[in-house]
Amino acid sequence: DAGVIQSPRHEVTEMGQEVTLRCKPISGHDYLFWYRQTMMRGLELLIYFNNNVPIDDSGMPEDRFSAKMPNASFSTLKIQPSEPRDSAVYFCASSPRGSPYNEQFFGPGTRLTVL
Amino acid sequence: AQSVTQLGSHVSVSEGALVLLRCNYSSSVPPYLFWYVQYPNQGLQLLLKYTSAATLVKGINGFEAEFKKSETSFHLTKPSAHMSDAAEYFCAVSSGGSYIPTFGRGTSLIVHP
Repeated sequence: DAGVIQSPRHEVTEMGQEVTLRCKPISGHDYLFWYRQTMMRGLELLIYFNNNVPIDDSGMPEDRFSAKMPNASFSTLKIQPSEPRDSAVYFCASSPRGSPYNEQFFGPGTRLTVL
Repeated sequence: AQSVTQLGSHVSVSEGALVLLRCNYSSSVPPYLFWYVQYPNQGLQLLLKYTSAATLVKGINGFEAEFKKSETSFHLTKPSAHMSDAAEYFCAVSSGGSYIPTFGRGTSLIVHP
């Protein structure tokens, strides 16, 4: 298996622009997670899906952030409009059928820089 | 509710020395505990996990961790550090039927030659 795939790996944009991050989870995994990692705040859970349905989006910082999962093999995280404080590394992770001891499999991340 | 505290944002050791990374958890029910490692410019990957079987858990790359309920701890150790162990290490807890782990802030391991 190729693992969790994220694109792009790096994104540089200007303030006010729309940014779309993409994720392909591991085939057969039921859970998909979006995280943000910064030096100041560490690893933050933004939102997670179970069987393509958003379950908890309480970590989404504000309405400028939105996430979708139209099918089991694809998810997007969109920021519109982007701001410099959104600069971070964004990770997508997936997990097998629900169990408290199932590990999460992380993608390589997207490093976002908003100028 | 569940939470994780990792003591020390940075730990520095010499190559060949003992590695000890500390993790304390808080959980109202028996927890499942994990250690993940993040190498530079990569995502997190699982080192080891405790799932209520043996309290001493062995992971990859010579790491192990011991679950101590009385101390609510799950410290990560390795007898002899290698330069390639330099990375960020995260402790995580999952409990109460939640499938969503809570991650600690991470500890950066620095290995000196």
